[in-house]
Amino acid sequence: DGGITQSPKYLFRKEGQNVTLSCEQNLNHDAMYWYRQDPGQGLRLIYYSQIVNDFQKGDIAEGYSVSREKKESFPLTVTSAQKNPTAFYLCASKLTGSQETQYFGPGTRLLVL
Amino acid sequence: QKEVEQDPGPLSVPEGAIVSLNCTYSNSAFQYFMWYRQYSRKGPELLMYTYSSGNKEDGRFTAQVDKSSKYISLFIRDSQPSDSATYLCAMNTDSWGKFQFGAGTQVVVTP
Repeated sequence: DGGITQSPKYLFRKEGQNVTLSCEQNLNHDAMYWYRQDPGQGLRLIYYSQIVNDFQKGDIAEGYSVSREKKESFPLTVTSAQKNPTAFYLCASKLTGSQETQYFGPGTRLLVL
Repeated sequence: QKEVEQDPGPLSVPEGAIVSLNCTYSNSAFQYFMWYRQYSRKGPELLMYTYSSGNKEDGRFTAQVDKSSKYISLFIRDSQPSDSATYLCAMNTDSWGKFQFGAGTQVVVTP
């Protein structure tokens, strides 16, 4: 089955800890995105990547980091600098340069202990 | 001011009624318009995707785009309890651009 997988489904972070959220896709999509979703605020773009080894900051990149070493994978690290990390994190992908829209993974819920 | 405005609801309708959802936007460069459905604690799933003004129908769903008014709508006919979800509008300027999302409207269809 083609699709986007995110793991874990739930993640708990302790004070001062960095945590990494996984996103993998087997759709052969070039572009991948990370969004944060908070109640009543819709989706806010954290980082996006349109090609391997290249990525750009979105609207709320502070306190987050990413890498894009493989086309299929776009992990997101929530660093200790992110003071309010509790949220639902969504990964998405699409074909660049086409009219196709984004497809989303199932999400990871991050909670702070 | 947000680029995309969407009433968060909740919007409560009886089963069988028509659900009417809409978004307004300020950027006249938006060309691609999407509606996603999101069930609680799940990822959004694409419902409708339209390009340019006009109507698009898919089963019980109809999407409308009015670029002159910067207004898009989604209609759900013969609503079912399984349609209870949050509906997100999204748009972008071109196939390379960033997507802008509305805040989402929560819909509750009561049996």
